[in-house]
Amino acid sequence: GEDVEQSLFLSVREGDSSVINCTYTDSSSTYLYWYKQEPGAGLQLLTYIFSNMDMKQDQRLTVLLNKKDKHLSLRIADTQTGDSAIYFCAERAGGSYIPTFGRGTSLIVHP
Amino acid sequence: DAMVIQNPRYQVTQFGKPVTLSCSQTLNHNVMYWYQQKSSQAPKLLFHYYDKDFNNEADTPDNFQSRRPNTSFCFLDIRSPGLGDAAMYLCATSRSQETQYFGPGTRLLVL
Repeated sequence: GEDVEQSLFLSVREGDSSVINCTYTDSSSTYLYWYKQEPGAGLQLLTYIFSNMDMKQDQRLTVLLNKKDKHLSLRIADTQTGDSAIYFCAERAGGSYIPTFGRGTSLIVHP
Repeated sequence: DAMVIQNPRYQVTQFGKPVTLSCSQTLNHNVMYWYQQKSSQAPKLLFHYYDKDFNNEADTPDNFQSRRPNTSFCFLDIRSPGLGDAAMYLCATSRSQETQYFGPGTRLLVL
């Protein structure tokens, strides 16, 4: 079945870059998403990438996709304390409207 | 500017006392979803409405029901809440197979 894996925790120093990794198993994945969840809040869509793309950049965020290895990463440049949150990777196949979520990576930013 | 609204944000109920959670949207999206999220876990899809068609996940307990009286509103009814139903409940919407947008969630506490 479909599976999305993420490491549970990442700790970085303020001002450094953060890289959050995700692997997935569904070879028919067409859309891959990154969501951010702050404490007590819902999921906020950060960015998404189509499977025919290798990279997408949006201000401080860079998404890299290695389709061969089914590996997705989110890089946050100049990480700030406000970036502390849980980051969820999600994927869905083109014929489906239901995404599969990973368990989330808790990003901790310390001074 | 709120697009997906959930009420209340926090709900306390007693064991076995029915509770209803509300979701509304201003996006005019035709698909609405209810997720259950427990601590350190991925959101778990309970059911969704594709237009007026109700789609229940196979492992969603009968204790959970949903109503969608019109395009904008969707309700989650928990008929007899147990302690294990304490969680964050997330509503999301999408336009058919496009990206999901989430509400802020309702935190349910069962005493």
